[in-house]
Amino acid sequence: EPEVTQTPSHQVTQMGQEVILRCVPISNHLYFYWYRQILGQKVEFLVSFYNNEISEKSEIFDDQFSVERPDGSNFTLKIRSTKLEDSAMYFCASRVTSGAYEQFFGPGTRLTVL
Amino acid sequence: GQNIDQPTEMTATEGAIVQINCTYQTSGFNGLFWYQQHAGEAPTFLSYNVLDGLEEKGRFSSFLSRSKGYSYLLLKELQMKDSASYLCAINAGNNRKLIWGLGTSLAVNP
Repeated sequence: EPEVTQTPSHQVTQMGQEVILRCVPISNHLYFYWYRQILGQKVEFLVSFYNNEISEKSEIFDDQFSVERPDGSNFTLKIRSTKLEDSAMYFCASRVTSGAYEQFFGPGTRLTVL
Repeated sequence: GQNIDQPTEMTATEGAIVQINCTYQTSGFNGLFWYQQHAGEAPTFLSYNVLDGLEEKGRFSSFLSRSKGYSYLLLKELQMKDSASYLCAINAGNNRKLIWGLGTSLAVNP
């Protein structure tokens, strides 16, 4: 069964460093999302992406964040200069068409900023 | 604004039935999801309601009342493996982003 994959599973970085979190959505899916979940808190929407552009972003998704679909299969989230409060689990999700409702989630990347 | 409320914790006994409630106030409602999340793992899809009424899926059922801004997830014949967090999420807006509740941590005891 097709699934969303994410790498790495765990990323440790120093404050101020850039990180890139990678996702490979399900191949025929057209809509892509990033969410994050700080330990003990609720899952939060970061950004949605369709047709090679951001379709919506939350207040969390400021200038430090960017997303890219560089090669038609990978979907990346970049944090330019990480802060301690960026430590969280980051989930990628994808959805097949505009009429479909279910988002399929990847296993997540745990980002730890020291 | 957007607000989704769920009880923080619940406890139940193996073999029993438990109902987890969710109330919400959101703009742009495209449906309500229930997800299960084990610690340190991704949310996994359980159910989706877009119209009022009950949706049944094996041991799990979910109910929605849009006029009341209310949903519940019903778990029957509880098993130990059902110990997890249950997340209520609203599918909102044109881009169908998910707005999440904090989740209900369910402990199933023998």
